[in-house]
Amino acid sequence: DQQVKQNSPSLSVQEGRISILNCDYTNSMFDYFLWYKKYPAEGPTFLISISSIKDKNEDGRFTVFLNKSAKHLSLHIVPSQPGDSAVYFCAASAYNNDMRFGAGTRLTVKP
Amino acid sequence: KAGVTQTPRYLIKTRGQQVTLSCSPISGHRSVSWYQQTPGQGLQFLFEYFSETQRNKGNFPGRFSGRQFSNSRSEMNVSTLELGDSALYLCASKRGDTYNEQFFGPGTRLTVL
Repeated sequence: DQQVKQNSPSLSVQEGRISILNCDYTNSMFDYFLWYKKYPAEGPTFLISISSIKDKNEDGRFTVFLNKSAKHLSLHIVPSQPGDSAVYFCAASAYNNDMRFGAGTRLTVKP
Repeated sequence: KAGVTQTPRYLIKTRGQQVTLSCSPISGHRSVSWYQQTPGQGLQFLFEYFSETQRNKGNFPGRFSGRQFSNSRSEMNVSTLELGDSALYLCASKRGDTYNEQFFGPGTRLTVL
């Protein structure tokens, strides 16, 4: 059951431009959302999170937006850097439940 | 503080065999979750253990099982291996409070021949 969907398997952007990664979810019980970044041969690393009581959370170059009515969240990276090239996973969780992950989006930032 | 460690890092087995993977969480973390990652499928949740009890379980067959010890270390076992079990198995730990982000280990790459 794909409760969390990342419909774009890959994204390519130019260095210095904005990267926008999208994620949709179906379970209205989800109220906490996270983004993870994964490099090859490493486990995912936590990037940024947002609670459903907010619609935006910023951390440096990374901003996550949440649209609860549309059950949609997005991760903005500005400006994009070549070191940001990785697979990005969106994750969602409800209180005390397991965390569900999307299939991931491979971001390539070209110099 | 040491991160999440998983052993072994790589494993090759044949169909029908069984395998046990190990995960040592970050010190003080009481929750350990296991995920299976295959190309195009993202991270599929297997189960979560908290204080030696299975707290949540994903949609995997009974061949997949796990346990957690009193020191929070966890093991995952897969019996009667199938070719489709070839994947990266990731372990993640968190303190156990809700909504804390999970910290992942590097994973165990299992290949079933």
